[in-house]
Amino acid sequence: EAQVTQNPRYLITVTGKKLTVTCSQNMNHEYMSWYRQDPGLGLRQIYYSMNVEVTDKGDVPEGYKVSRKEKRNFPLILESPSPNQTSLYFCASSLSARETQYFGPGTRLLVL
Amino acid sequence: TQLLEQSPQFLSIQEGENLTVYCNSSSVFSSLQWYRQEPGEGPVLLVTVVTGGEVKKLKRLTFQFGDARKDSSLHITAAQPGDTGLYLCAGRPDNDYKLSFGAGTTVTVRA
Repeated sequence: EAQVTQNPRYLITVTGKKLTVTCSQNMNHEYMSWYRQDPGLGLRQIYYSMNVEVTDKGDVPEGYKVSRKEKRNFPLILESPSPNQTSLYFCASSLSARETQYFGPGTRLLVL
Repeated sequence: TQLLEQSPQFLSIQEGENLTVYCNSSSVFSSLQWYRQEPGEGPVLLVTVVTGGEVKKLKRLTFQFGDARKDSSLHITAAQPGDTGLYLCAGRPDNDYKLSFGAGTTVTVRA
């Protein structure tokens, strides 16, 4: 089944403890992206990747890192999480930047 | 400031009633999309409109793109409880490939 998977689905952590949220797609998509969703703000793009080893900042990149060493994986790294990063995170992928994006199921993160 | 403003933010109606959700901007978009998101899941694409004035129908859902490509609407006829969800509009500005999302409209259809 064609899909985007994220892990973990739920995560509670404490301020400053490094964490990684994994994202994987099996559709051979070149474009991958991370969003955060907050009430009243919709989805805001954190980082995106046009292809392997090519990443760029989205609208809200502060406090996040990403890597794209393989086409299928696009992990989101929070080196030192803070409470304002408590949010619902979505990974998405598409054939190219202008094609339809397919979203993962989301990761709900709580930073205490 | 959101590039796309959605209204209303919340909508609660009785089964069988009609509803309209609006998505407005001062920017021109090369394309505009509507998504539905259910609790615990990611957004799922419903439709993409690309031509000013375009109207697309998906069963009881009618999507319209404004003539100037700055706004869009989603109309649901005879809403059913299964239509309950968060509806998001998203657009690609004329000079950009990045997708910008509205804040969403939470629709609740009561049986």
